[in-house]
Amino acid sequence: GDSVTQMEGPVTLSEEAFLTINCTYTATGYPSLFWYVQYPGEGLQLLLKATKADDKGSNKGFEATYRKETTSFHLEKGSVQVSDSAVYFCARDYGQNFVFGPGTRLSVLP
Amino acid sequence: SQTIHQWPATLVQPVGSPLSLECTVEGTSNPNLYWYRQAAGRGLQLLFYSVGIGQISSEVPQNLSASRPQDRQFILSSKKLLLSDSGFYLCAWSVGGQGNGYTFGSGTRLTVV
Repeated sequence: GDSVTQMEGPVTLSEEAFLTINCTYTATGYPSLFWYVQYPGEGLQLLLKATKADDKGSNKGFEATYRKETTSFHLEKGSVQVSDSAVYFCARDYGQNFVFGPGTRLSVLP
Repeated sequence: SQTIHQWPATLVQPVGSPLSLECTVEGTSNPNLYWYRQAAGRGLQLLFYSVGIGQISSEVPQNLSASRPQDRQFILSSKKLLLSDSGFYLCAWSVGGQGNGYTFGSGTRLTVV
C-alpha cells in the first residue's frame, strides 16, 4: 500500500550545522507532499508542502523539493538552531486521508 | 480565521473508566475531521475520520469509538479504558482537495493508570 519512509532518528546536531532528513514515498498517483513539525508537548504544525513535481516548499529556513524521479522529499536547512529541536514528520496525501512517516527526532545542541 | 480546539490538554483516568475527548473547528464548513493517536516515542496512527455529520470511518479495530453530532464537532469516546489506550491524541481537520494539508489541534495527553 501507500507509505512514507523517513530516516531513523534521533538526529543530534550542533547549532549552525547543516540538516538533512530523508523522506521517500510510494509512487501511487500524484500525491501532494508535506513536512510537519511537532515541538515538545504540542500538536503538529504544517512546516512546508509541495503539490507537484519539482516544486520546492520552504518555510523558516527549511526547504524540500518534490523529486518525482526519486520519489523523495528530503528536508534541508542550512544552519539549524536550538529552537529547531522537535520531531519532524513527512507525509503524503492519500484519498481523504494522509499517510505519515514515523517521524524523526532532531536535537540541536548549543 | 480557522481554528481548532481540543480539550482537555491532559487527562489521567483509571483503567475501566469512560472517556470523552472533544474537538471543535471554527471558521470552516463541512471539514473532514480526524482522530490520531501517538504512542510514546512512536508515529501517528489514524484512528477515525469523518467526511460529514454521522459519517465515521474506523481505521483500526479497538476499544475506542468516534461520533460527529455536528458539522464541526468530533468526539472520541471509550466505555472502558485500557492501559494500552494511553497516548497523545490529536484531532485534525482538512477541507478541499489535494494540497491543503491538515490543521492539527494541540493534543490531549491521556494517561490510563
